Amino acid sequence: GQQLNQSPQSMFIQEGEDVSMNCTSSSIFNTWLWYKQDPGEGPVLLIALYKAGELTSNGRLTAQFGITRKDSFLNISASIPSDVGIYFCAGADSGGSNYKLTFGKGTLLTVNP
Amino acid sequence: GAGVSQSPRYKVAKRGQDVALRCDPISGHVSLFWYQQALGQGPEFLTYFQNEAQLDKSGLPSDRFFAERPEGSVSTLKIQRTQQEDSAVYLCASSSRWELFFGEGSRLTVL
Repeated sequence: GQQLNQSPQSMFIQEGEDVSMNCTSSSIFNTWLWYKQDPGEGPVLLIALYKAGELTSNGRLTAQFGITRKDSFLNISASIPSDVGIYFCAGADSGGSNYKLTFGKGTLLTVNP
Repeated sequence: GAGVSQSPRYKVAKRGQDVALRCDPISGHVSLFWYQQALGQGPEFLTYFQNEAQLDKSGLPSDRFFAERPEGSVSTLKIQRTQQEDSAVYLCASSSRWELFFGEGSRLTVL
């Protein structure tokens, strides 16, 4: 089946630093999504990308849908302590099962104040 | 309610017991999904409903897993004869278009 490789697995940064994480896939997706999950909570959508090459921002977050449709990255600028959590990329299939999301294994972000 | 509600939040079961996990989706959301999230992993797709119709159950790991949504609203995920490998967080999500809204999950621990 499809697999998403998400890196890095974890990051430890100082407050105020910028962060970058990415996902690569063995196959094409027609939608890329980035989620954040806090402990004991469900994932919350941060950014959705629908077109290859698309660059989208949401406050301090910026994400891009790779031209090949097999990768995406997420940048967080000027990190703050509440950015702590696990960030997941997810891709939606092209074709008939485009409702089904495949998730990466997550990037654990720790921000030191 | 405003969001997706799941119950119970925590369930401890002895191996071999049956469990039922409930999901109340956001009112009016046609699509409902169940995902399984093992410790340290991302969520994995289990099954998908559009209204009361279960359109995809390809992610259910075995025939011990059964999901239903008889009236197109509340859904129940049932696991029969639980095994230790069933221990995970079971996430329910609903959507009206693309954005999936997840519940807080039901954490199942099988002893």
